[in-house]
Amino acid sequence: GAGVSQSPRYKVAKRGQDVALRCDPISGHVSLFWYQQALGQGPEFLTYFQNEAQLDKSGLPSDRFFAERPEGSVSTLKIQRTQQEDSAVYLCASSLGTLESYNEQFFGPGTRLTVL
Amino acid sequence: AQKITQTQPGMFVQEKEAVTLDCTYDTSDQSYGLFWYKQPSSGEMIFLIYQGSYDEQNATEGRYSLNFQKARKSANLVISASQLGDSAMYFCAMRDPSGYSTLTFGKGTMLLVSP
Repeated sequence: GAGVSQSPRYKVAKRGQDVALRCDPISGHVSLFWYQQALGQGPEFLTYFQNEAQLDKSGLPSDRFFAERPEGSVSTLKIQRTQQEDSAVYLCASSLGTLESYNEQFFGPGTRLTVL
Repeated sequence: AQKITQTQPGMFVQEKEAVTLDCTYDTSDQSYGLFWYKQPSSGEMIFLIYQGSYDEQNATEGRYSLNFQKARKSANLVISASQLGDSAMYFCAMRDPSGYSTLTFGKGTMLLVSP
């Protein structure tokens, strides 16, 4: 399809397990963002990639969170030793350009992570 | 730091009526962008409308219009002729001009449209 896709759509993990969430941005989009959306809240920024470079990871809540985009397209958000507070919807968004321009961010459907 | 405030947790409107969803923002930047997104139960964030801080006219997109009052730092979304399919969460967001265009979101307003 032409939109941003994410997999899996739902993930249930036991506390302490590692998880990997995948994002396929729109082809040709330079910018890729990860957001975390807790229940009843708005999305909160986690990290930003421009092509393969991770230029901003200021929103990652702990060193258990790691993201990569090795070839400048698909991105993976990895959470190690998951905790219950990690339960949230993880949204990926991509946009065509970079900063200093108005670029609409196109969002994927999200991955709902539940940590038991 | 930027902040977006949406004070209405939920709003009810009858089909075919207009509804206004409130959004106020706080920023020290002179140049910024404001967005509204719709999030249906499926979870995907759908872009609705954008307003740049230097745009002199209020943005409009079909049934959506943005009531932008810069002095009051408000950017309310107006939906005209509500439809049942408009029932969803609505988020106001601001683009960070000093970073990498990341978005800061409000907590959202749940809109329910009744027949």
